[in-house]
Amino acid sequence: AQSVTQLGSHVSVSEGALVLLRCNYSSSVPPYLFWYVQYPNQGLQLLLKYTSAATLVKGINGFEAEFKKSETSFHLTKPSAHMSDAAEYFCAVSGGGSEKLVFGKGTKLTVNP
Amino acid sequence: NAGVTQTPKFRILKIGQSMTLQCTQDMNHNYMYWYRQDPGMGLKLIYYSVGAGITDKGEVPNGYNVSRSTTEDFPLRLELAAPSQTSVYFCASSQTGVGSPLHFGNGTRLTVT
Repeated sequence: AQSVTQLGSHVSVSEGALVLLRCNYSSSVPPYLFWYVQYPNQGLQLLLKYTSAATLVKGINGFEAEFKKSETSFHLTKPSAHMSDAAEYFCAVSGGGSEKLVFGKGTKLTVNP
Repeated sequence: NAGVTQTPKFRILKIGQSMTLQCTQDMNHNYMYWYRQDPGMGLKLIYYSVGAGITDKGEVPNGYNVSRSTTEDFPLRLELAAPSQTSVYFCASSQTGVGSPLHFGNGTRLTVT
């Protein structure tokens, strides 16, 4: 069965600093991997998606993620944090014969002025 | 284009009461999902549907029922509300299932007292 582990339930950075949110997955076959963002009192929105076309995936709002098969990781980064990036971020995996998308527990990002 | 619409936004139920959470999408997506979100736990899949007339259980289906009579609508029924069902419920849809991004509604916040 697929699973997702997000390291760190809370991450705090200063405005302008690097954002790094960690995600490791387990899957017996090459997966589909996603990052979603949730702003307060809203549903989740797709940030980016990995589908094996390229290991470095660019998403919206300056975020990108790198797929590393050897490390079973799909970490999310942004070079310079903005106050508007404060939100909760979810990594998710699907594939391997399952129609279901499995989510990590989420990482809440705080951006300090 | 409204996307995925959920009603109501908020609801308070007494233990043992019943209610239906409504979900409708206008994107002609075949796949629809119900998730619940609890703090620090990520999203857990309750039920999903791959098309009109077809539903299947997710990770946490107990205490819930669904139906899918049309492509657009996917209501979630709580028959005998329990405090453990206090949560935020999200409906989502996708075009082709596995590998296809989910489009989320804004959620229904349910409290059972």
